[in-house]
Amino acid sequence: KAGVTQTPRYLIKTRGQQVTLSCSPISGHRSVSWYQQTPGQGLQFLFEYFSETQRNKGNFPGRFSGRQFSNSRSEMNVSTLELGDSALYLCASSRGWGLYGYTFGSGTRLTVV
Amino acid sequence: AQTVTQSQPEMSVQEAETVTLSCTYDTSENNYYLFWYKQPPSRQMILVIRQEAYKQQNATENRFSVNFQKAAKSFSLKISDSQLGDTAMYFCAFMKHVPGGSEKLVFGKGTKLTVNP
Repeated sequence: KAGVTQTPRYLIKTRGQQVTLSCSPISGHRSVSWYQQTPGQGLQFLFEYFSETQRNKGNFPGRFSGRQFSNSRSEMNVSTLELGDSALYLCASSRGWGLYGYTFGSGTRLTVV
Repeated sequence: AQTVTQSQPEMSVQEAETVTLSCTYDTSENNYYLFWYKQPPSRQMILVIRQEAYKQQNATENRFSVNFQKAAKSFSLKISDSQLGDTAMYFCAFMKHVPGGSEKLVFGKGTKLTVNP
């Protein structure tokens, strides 16, 4: 069965622009979480959606937002990009509450120049 | 807030040997879950093993096993018969149990494991 699919795999944007990343979870998984991975800060939780509702949110500025569609696909948006937003953005899905572990995608590598 | 500490930034092991990766965590919660994830150069985080805090028995998955010491808040990963394909970053993660809800994963900084031929 198909895994978690993230698109695009690589992205280069200019400071001040906005970007949208996409995540398609495993079929049947209704929970989608997003994490930011950087060398300095490690893996940090951004937000989690379940059945189109945001259930949990990390400590990131309002420039970071997300949404989930009725088919469980999710998008995250970062507006007014800053150099510090350069990171690997990982999406993870689970059937319910992630108690049995999340399945991750391969991430989108965002570079802000 | 929960914190997860992996004290070994890098480790190496010879193929076929055994290696243990350390992880400690800090929490006031009683019900929680612990995970080890592996991230190879392909970037995808892969779940290696999972432990429920209320279970005293240590989890085992083929060559991977954990030593879970709840009182000491320690959760180490033992890899037996190391293989070249085990070369990756290994992350320890904590998730508290929220009845009827969800919680985020809190990750350690990771341990880079290299298996040498």
